[in-house]
Amino acid sequence: GAVVSQHPSRVICKSGTSVKIECRSLDFQATTMFWYRQFPKQSLMLMATSNEGSKATYEQGVEKDKFLINHASLTLSTLTVTSAHPEDSSFYICSARHSGAFQETQYFGPGTRLLVL
Amino acid sequence: GQQLNQSPQSMFIQEGEDVSMNCTSSSIFNTWLWYKQDPGEGPVLLIALYKAGELTSNGRLTAQFGITRKDSFLNISASIPSDVGIYFCAGPNYGGSQGNLIFGKGTKLSVKP
Repeated sequence: GAVVSQHPSRVICKSGTSVKIECRSLDFQATTMFWYRQFPKQSLMLMATSNEGSKATYEQGVEKDKFLINHASLTLSTLTVTSAHPEDSSFYICSARHSGAFQETQYFGPGTRLLVL
Repeated sequence: GQQLNQSPQSMFIQEGEDVSMNCTSSSIFNTWLWYKQDPGEGPVLLIALYKAGELTSNGRLTAQFGITRKDSFLNISASIPSDVGIYFCAGPNYGGSQGNLIFGKGTKLSVKP
């Protein structure tokens, strides 16, 4: 299957600082990527849809000024958690939409564990 | 709105046993996806189904796209310890952002050696 990478895999930061997470599709181009957040023992919660060349679409309740998304190229989307606070500590996962001739699916990155002290 | 009901929520089985889990929806899907997530990792795509009635295998895993297009099941034969993890079904969210998925709540599989 297609490969999606995330960097960093884990990060610890102080409260008030900003953290950038990168999501890359390594062997295909993705005009659309998705950012999810996952709390322990729960399913994935969609935060926003990242579109190459246009503004991201945020889900209800997700602050766009807090979680900045930039889809700079067809293989890279970044999520910046600005002025992070302890409640932002979570597991953040990206996925990239892969479209074939008649079928499409999503491939996920390995996730980024964020801990805000 | 669309919802995926996944069952069972958890399973505790003996190594070598077969496993079956399923996903149902009140609305029709044209794609069913099955993912496995290990602790601290992102979900990994196991099987993708695109056609009603389709039966697809991936090693010891077999998944079927229900003929009504409102359900799907995943079977694992002769389970082994590395099958441990959380299995999610997913389908397109037709009412949401372009191409995003909705997920079942997951089936947590534990395998006793």
